[in-house]
Amino acid sequence: DAGVTQSPTHLIKTRGQQVTLRCSPKSGHDTVSWYQQALGQGPQFIFQYYEEEERQRGNFPDRFSGHQFPNYSSELNVNALLLGDSALYLCASSSQGAVNTEAFFGQGTRLTVV
Amino acid sequence: DQQVKQNSPSLSVQEGRISILNCDYTNSMFDYFLWYKKYPAEGPTFLISISSIKDKNEDGRFTVFLNKSAKHLSLHIVPSQPGDSAVYFCAASRYSNDYKLSFGAGTTVTVRA
Repeated sequence: DAGVTQSPTHLIKTRGQQVTLRCSPKSGHDTVSWYQQALGQGPQFIFQYYEEEERQRGNFPDRFSGHQFPNYSSELNVNALLLGDSALYLCASSSQGAVNTEAFFGQGTRLTVV
Repeated sequence: DQQVKQNSPSLSVQEGRISILNCDYTNSMFDYFLWYKKYPAEGPTFLISISSIKDKNEDGRFTVFLNKSAKHLSLHIVPSQPGDSAVYFCAASRYSNDYKLSFGAGTTVTVRA
């Protein structure tokens, strides 16, 4: 079981560009949550996807959008990148209805905006 | 708005001694609390949790205490081992299957041999 896998591991983008990050959930999981962890801070909830729909959203602007595919994998898109979007982006997968202690996190994608 | 706070960015402890990590929260709607451990280049790993109906939960060397009236929880690690050196995050949610977790900023624990 590969667990939660995220790609790419690192990337560098220029301010104003757009970026897409990818997450494959752990086998058997159908729900994906995305978090942003800025340097020196804890992860902040961006949104959660289940049944290909956004179910919950944190306090992030519309520049942050997502998608979930029929195979439960997910993408996080960020448009019009700002320097402040530089962070570690974490994906967590789970089974809908399961307790949150059963969520598994990926290793993250380190995004640097220059 | 930081609803979960870990006011100690770092903690250094000698191997075999107790590590005590503290966490405070402001949102009275939080009912479920979790601790995560994170090694460099890895995602956070769930460690232990506690429901607001309890004031203590133990799992091996790890014990979490909750003081709901003070909106404070703490994680005790006894005895501390070198492999415990990591960043520890406190997180809170409104109920046990709520994945909208609010995290603290983390405490870096270093266990000295």
